[in-house]
Amino acid sequence: QAVLTQPSSLSASPGASASLTCTLRSGINVGTYNIYWYQQKPGSPPQYLLRYKSDSDKQQGSGVPSRFSGSKAASANAGILLISGLQSEDEADYYCMIWHSNTWVFGGGTKLTVL
Amino acid sequence: QVQLVQSGAEVKKPGASVKVSCKASGYTFTTYDINWVRQATGQGLEWMGWMNPNSGDTGYAQKFQGRLTMTRDTSISTAYMELSSLRSEDSAVYYCARNVRNSGDFVSWGQGTLVTVSS
Repeated sequence: QAVLTQPSSLSASPGASASLTCTLRSGINVGTYNIYWYQQKPGSPPQYLLRYKSDSDKQQGSGVPSRFSGSKAASANAGILLISGLQSEDEADYYCMIWHSNTWVFGGGTKLTVL
Repeated sequence: QVQLVQSGAEVKKPGASVKVSCKASGYTFTTYDINWVRQATGQGLEWMGWMNPNSGDTGYAQKFQGRLTMTRDTSISTAYMELSSLRSEDSAVYYCARNVRNSGDFVSWGQGTLVTVSS
């Protein structure tokens, strides 16, 4: 079982909100981890969005709109990237990442389509 | 401004080695770690390892132990990633990325280097 699992795709309408999940493998407690989120558009390197551990311990990437926010769903053992007020430019691949067992681990990524 | 500029595309035969460079500018090279991340075509991101340019200390993902070597030349602010015993599955875009030690905010990335392994 992968350390981090993300849905492969998600579609949402312009102006709506999209909730992208990053589920940690059973036995790895989401509460103890910083969850990092990246956005990647075709042909470009990833772009850092934000870090979320808790409401009191989080960091927004420089220049990243406040429409992008992080949270956790403890019951689902998952990190969440919420994108509100979706715009066409938000169409991209999104990756979560954690530091686990002395390794940076990426989720498989979610392709977000805005249509 | 901070820039990481990588070397150009490479084509290698199976079993060969490849060495990709990442030249840093706009900041003090020795004050941030350099990480390497790769991405096969149409696939996700895969972290390979980190290097402290000041000390030369490195940490590699277990998958690459024995095949991966990260080095640096501080006189020219350049980090290197060398992967040996190449196989077709190593064909990918390789990125360098800068971070503060123990932090996952890879804010600055190189433009990527395409490595193709083909007989």
